[in-house]
Amino acid sequence: KAGVTQTPRYLIKTRGQQVTLSCSPISGHRSVSWYQQTPGQGLQFLFEYFSETQRNKGNFPGRFSGRQFSNSRSEMNVSTLELGDSALYLCATKPDVNNEQFFGPGTRLTVL
Amino acid sequence: TQLLEQSPQFLSIQEGENLTVYCNSSSVFSSLQWYRQEPGEGPVLLVTVVTGGEVKKLKRLTFQFGDARKDSSLHITAAQPGDTGLYLCAADNYGQNFVFGPGTRLSVLP
Repeated sequence: KAGVTQTPRYLIKTRGQQVTLSCSPISGHRSVSWYQQTPGQGLQFLFEYFSETQRNKGNFPGRFSGRQFSNSRSEMNVSTLELGDSALYLCATKPDVNNEQFFGPGTRLTVL
Repeated sequence: TQLLEQSPQFLSIQEGENLTVYCNSSSVFSSLQWYRQEPGEGPVLLVTVVTGGEVKKLKRLTFQFGDARKDSSLHITAAQPGDTGLYLCAADNYGQNFVFGPGTRLSVLP
């Protein structure tokens, strides 16, 4: 069974630009969650999607948004990038039957 | 906001030593998970504990969930260099989201 894949793995953007990150879940997993990881704040929950609907949301500004497609693939978008958005963005998927999360390798975003 | 604290923040030990890391909160959670994360990779789930007082063993790793379901510990026996990594605890906030601790960075020297 293929694991969680995230693309791209690395990204460099400048302030004010926008970025879209992609996550493909393990086959059969309908829940996709996004996290931001920084050295100062650790792993922080952004949002969770399930069957194309946002099910839970963390405390991030509206510049952070996401969506999920019918095949459970998910994208997150960050608009008007700020220097502080530089981070490792992780997605995690889980099966319907339990809360065991499987993480992808992450996308390393650098904002200059 | 429910917070998780982990201690110690950093730990450097010699191969063969034993160690314990802790995860604490003032809140009660429905379950708690431990992950290990290596540089450049996402966290990998090690174990989920659900019942207060529960103890789970995974080879040289022993996980315990506190009776009140507010704290947990991870004990590693005879640590090996392959155990090096960032250990994260994550609490299930009753299905709403996962709250992660800041992590314990473990370095096992050969």
